[in-house]
Amino acid sequence: QKEVEQNSGPLSVPEGAIASLNCTYSDRGSQSFFWYRQYSGKSPELIMFIYSNGDKEDGRFTAQLNKASQYVSLLIRDSQPSDSATYLCAVIRVKGRKLIFGQGTELSVKP
Amino acid sequence: ETGVTQTPRHLVMGMTNKKSLKCEQHLGHNAMYWYKQSAKKPLELMFVYSLEERVENNSVPSRFSPECPNSSHLFLHLHTLQPEDSALYLCASSQEGGNSPLHFGNGTRLTVT
Repeated sequence: QKEVEQNSGPLSVPEGAIASLNCTYSDRGSQSFFWYRQYSGKSPELIMFIYSNGDKEDGRFTAQLNKASQYVSLLIRDSQPSDSATYLCAVIRVKGRKLIFGQGTELSVKP
Repeated sequence: ETGVTQTPRHLVMGMTNKKSLKCEQHLGHNAMYWYKQSAKKPLELMFVYSLEERVENNSVPSRFSPECPNSSHLFLHLHTLQPEDSALYLCASSQEGGNSPLHFGNGTRLTVT
């Protein structure tokens, strides 16, 4: 089982819709969860982090964490073509406290 | 100055060459990382320097050799690489000891011919 798993996509949504990106992780003791956005040919940039169960909102982005289900998601409201990128889920592994990435989900927002 | 700076941005090298990638961070962090990103694969952690102690991923071939002279600078020395080593190499830094996220540099696009 992969430590951090994401659907690779591509996920295609129309402009203005809600994009939902999902991630599961295997280390039950993990405490810290991050979402990075990576445009083609660029380095990853941090967009959200979440440490507690529940929802965390920042502008059009909402991160959701369910530790019992070992599941973290990212919702993007009012999706824009500029949101088209690969979204990377990352989890701090308890052993060694190292950040482990999923393979990323490619999102395409169609005008 | 951007937070994490990598040079060069692009590098083409033959399999018999020796080259080095350079990374510098201006964020006051105490941990630095090398990641490899190949097409359609997750970011792969290669090396971590935390408080100047090196932590290795045992699957990284010995043709990759890191060096961290201080907490702000990190190098990746390359020698006798293979074509499958062609990838984007990303440097990152963070503040160890908490839940600090990584801050990435712009990466070096390496092509081995």
